[in-house]
Amino acid sequence: GAVVSQHPSRVICKSGTSVKIECRSLDFQATTMFWYRQFPKKSLMLMATSNEGSKATYEQGVEKDKFLINHASLTLSTLTVTSAHPEDSSFYICSASEYLNYGYTFGSGTRLTVV
Amino acid sequence: QKEVEQDPGPLSVPEGAIVSLNCTYSNSAFQYFMWYRQYSRKGPELLMYTYSSGNKEDGRFTAQVDKSSKYISLFIRDSQPSDSATYLCAMTRPGNTPLVFGKGTRLSVIA
Repeated sequence: GAVVSQHPSRVICKSGTSVKIECRSLDFQATTMFWYRQFPKKSLMLMATSNEGSKATYEQGVEKDKFLINHASLTLSTLTVTSAHPEDSSFYICSASEYLNYGYTFGSGTRLTVV
Repeated sequence: QKEVEQDPGPLSVPEGAIVSLNCTYSNSAFQYFMWYRQYSRKGPELLMYTYSSGNKEDGRFTAQVDKSSKYISLFIRDSQPSDSATYLCAMTRPGNTPLVFGKGTRLSVIA
């Protein structure tokens, strides 16, 4: 089946630094990728949608200058958390879909801790 | 009214029981319906994916969609302790639009 590789799985960074999270589709072309944030015991909160070669579309309330999303190829999308603060600590998950294939596949998630 | 409603549980059942999970939704534009399983600190894993109304079976799992009632279900037969996880229903419109999730139901299968 479709596989999405996400890493790092865990990262600890200092307040004020930036962190990049990668999401790769291993055996299919991901025309669309989605980035989510999840708080403990809560459902997934959509942050942004990105189509390959286009600017990401951010959900209301998500700072686009803080959460930089790049989807430069059909197999790779990155999320960069810039100038991270402790309140950015969370579980970040990517999801990828192939054109008109609705079995969206998720990465294994990245636990970010900002100290 | 939220677009997708799902009872968060928790739901606790003995091993071997049949588990019934369900979601209701309000947006008639939804055409694609999924069930995901999420273990703690992991990304969601796609269990079942159904287009429009009908039933789909895969091993111990059966997904049902009733678009007339805006109601979807997931049945787990012969439940195992390894099925203990959070189950998320999700749905979307045509066009690779974002999934809309239910809150998730926490299931515990007790040996």
